[in-house]
Amino acid sequence: NAGVMQNPRHLVRRRGQEARLRCSPMKGHSHVYWYRQLPEEGLKFMVYLQKENIIDESGMPKERFSAEFPKEGPSILRIQQVVRGDSAAYFCASSPREGMNTEAFFGQGTRLTVV
Amino acid sequence: SQKIEQNSEALNIQEGKTATLTCNYTNYSPAYLQWYRQDPGRGPVFLLLIRENEKEKRKERLKVTFDTTLKQSLFHITASQPADSATYLCALDEVGNTPLVFGKGTRLSVIA
Repeated sequence: NAGVMQNPRHLVRRRGQEARLRCSPMKGHSHVYWYRQLPEEGLKFMVYLQKENIIDESGMPKERFSAEFPKEGPSILRIQQVVRGDSAAYFCASSPREGMNTEAFFGQGTRLTVV
Repeated sequence: SQKIEQNSEALNIQEGKTATLTCNYTNYSPAYLQWYRQDPGRGPVFLLLIRENEKEKRKERLKVTFDTTLKQSLFHITASQPADSATYLCALDEVGNTPLVFGKGTRLSVIA
């Protein structure tokens, strides 16, 4: 059973370009969470999705950021018109049911660098 | 305001000793508290979960305590080894169905 798969592992974008980060949850998991980690900072919650639904996007900036988790395929975190401040590690986690109250399975992250 | 604070950014201990990491929280009422390990360039890996009605949990050389009166969790690694060197994150879940809120972590270095 493969773990949570994130790709790409590293992504370099110029200011103004779009970044697309992909997350395939563990098999059988239908709940996905995205977190951002800045250097020397903790993990900050961004968005929680179930298949085809956004459940909680309270941690996601209102502009330029969007997320989806379609019926088929991976969850996508999309950042439009990237700025230097978007440079961070983005992690997704999955769980088999609502909440993270057993354990959360994290991917290895995508490190976004905006130049 | 709500805060999760982990004792120090970095902790150095001698191999074989017990490492004790602290997690304090303010203005939260967690139903669960979890501890994760994160190595450089990697994602967090789950270690232990403790519920609000549990005082202590053990797993091999790891022990977690949870004091809801003090609003504190302690994480112990006994007989520490250089391989235990990593950043340890505490995370809490207020109502059992919300995303985890993480502390900034404590970077542990075990010196041989």
